[in-house]
Amino acid sequence: QVQLVESGGGLVKPGGSLRLSCAASGFTFSDYYMSWIRQAPGKGLEWVSYISSSGSTIYYADSVKGRFTISRDNAKNSLYLQMNSLRAEDTAVYYCARGDPMFAFDIWGQGTMVTVSS
Amino acid sequence: QSVLTQPPSVSAAPGQKVTISCSGSSSNIGNNYVSWYQQLPGTAPKLLIYDNNKRPSGIPDRFSGSKSGTSATLGITGLQTGDEADYYCGTWDSSLSALVFGGGTKLTVL
Repeated sequence: QVQLVESGGGLVKPGGSLRLSCAASGFTFSDYYMSWIRQAPGKGLEWVSYISSSGSTIYYADSVKGRFTISRDNAKNSLYLQMNSLRAEDTAVYYCARGDPMFAFDIWGQGTMVTVSS
Repeated sequence: QSVLTQPPSVSAAPGQKVTISCSGSSSNIGNNYVSWYQQLPGTAPKLLIYDNNKRPSGIPDRFSGSKSGTSATLGITGLQTGDEADYYCGTWDSSLSALVFGGGTKLTVL
């Protein structure tokens, strides 16, 4: 079935780095835009970044611009988020989601928790 | 402070109808499609409405969406206890070049 599975979350110190992965299955990954969306504990949803199907178009939220890098490997059906210079306010559950943000996200992963703390 | 404004909470009795508003501006709702998501406790969000008023397959017609000007509305009829969740609106903001979400609305079915 159509599925997205995130991995790579964990505990990291402020200023540290982490790389999240999202494995896609059940659909033609290379046909779809993909995004990362996060949710801080007890808070609402915050869009982080999106990448077009070919990887040629990328957008970031201002809160992560210059620190996070989104990428994808269509041969491996995988989406990535490289997070550098992490801050306490980056603590959140990170979801990968399928879809063009101009329209909607129709498939979401279960999320992976990132905790930034000393 | 979210770009899109939703009421923090709404409530209604089982079987009743509720509406959740989402207010924005011409740079977001006014000129882009709105989507709505349901997040049950402890789970990932789920798409309820896309393109302002379309339902994905599997979403019952108790859920409806509409848009007028710079505001959008999610309607839920025949409320069930299983509808208790947080609901979020989302749309692209052309000025910010960013996807923006409302702050979320917690639905309580009394």
